[in-house]
Amino acid sequence: QVQLQESGPGLVKPSETLSLTCAVSGYSISSGYYWGWIRQPPGKGLEWIGSIYHSGSTYYNPSLKSRVTISVDTSKNQFSLKLSSVTAADTAVYYCARGFAAAGRIYFDYWGQGTLVTVSS
Amino acid sequence: AIRMTQSPSSFSASTGDRVTITCRASQGISSYLAWYQQKPGKAPKLLIYAASTLQSGVPSRFSGSGSGTDFTLTISCLQSEDFATYYCQQYYSYPLTFGQGTKLEIK
Repeated sequence: QVQLQESGPGLVKPSETLSLTCAVSGYSISSGYYWGWIRQPPGKGLEWIGSIYHSGSTYYNPSLKSRVTISVDTSKNQFSLKLSSVTAADTAVYYCARGFAAAGRIYFDYWGQGTLVTVSS
Repeated sequence: AIRMTQSPSSFSASTGDRVTITCRASQGISSYLAWYQQKPGKAPKLLIYAASTLQSGVPSRFSGSGSGTDFTLTISCLQSEDFATYYCQQYYSYPLTFGQGTKLEIK
């Protein structure tokens, strides 16, 4: 059974960098699949942030691309998100998820439980 | 970016009802569409992919149809556990985009 678990600070100051890690169990990241981050502001809908292939190829949402870095650490079986220069608009529940690719096109079949990150001084 | 528009945004129904949610893409996406169910405080759960393929373990009362720009999610006989918010997602092109959600409430 594939399981994903997000971890990281729940409170980040404006202008600082948000850093989250997603630990994967029940599946080896190096074996394949895409791995992604999706966020959901309180009371709002879902926004795709970006995805990374197990080989390291990345795909980012253009609306966030200048501030986002997603990386993978196969030795720890985890992947990470960094979002720089955060503002209150970045306050959201952040989900990590496994991306199943159909001809390189991704939907998400396993999700972490989500972690709330609040941007506030 | 491809815009996904769901209708209605919310509605009320009763247990046993047959309900249909619509998702429209701003341009053709073939059958690269997924549906998710989200309950309060929980992560989304994949219900359907490739517009009409039921994810393993999902009850058969859920079904999806459509291709191109117009898609539907149908729940044939609502159960109490089906009251939730439903999202569509296109994966035809980047950036991946979701609909705004349809909240299904108990009448």
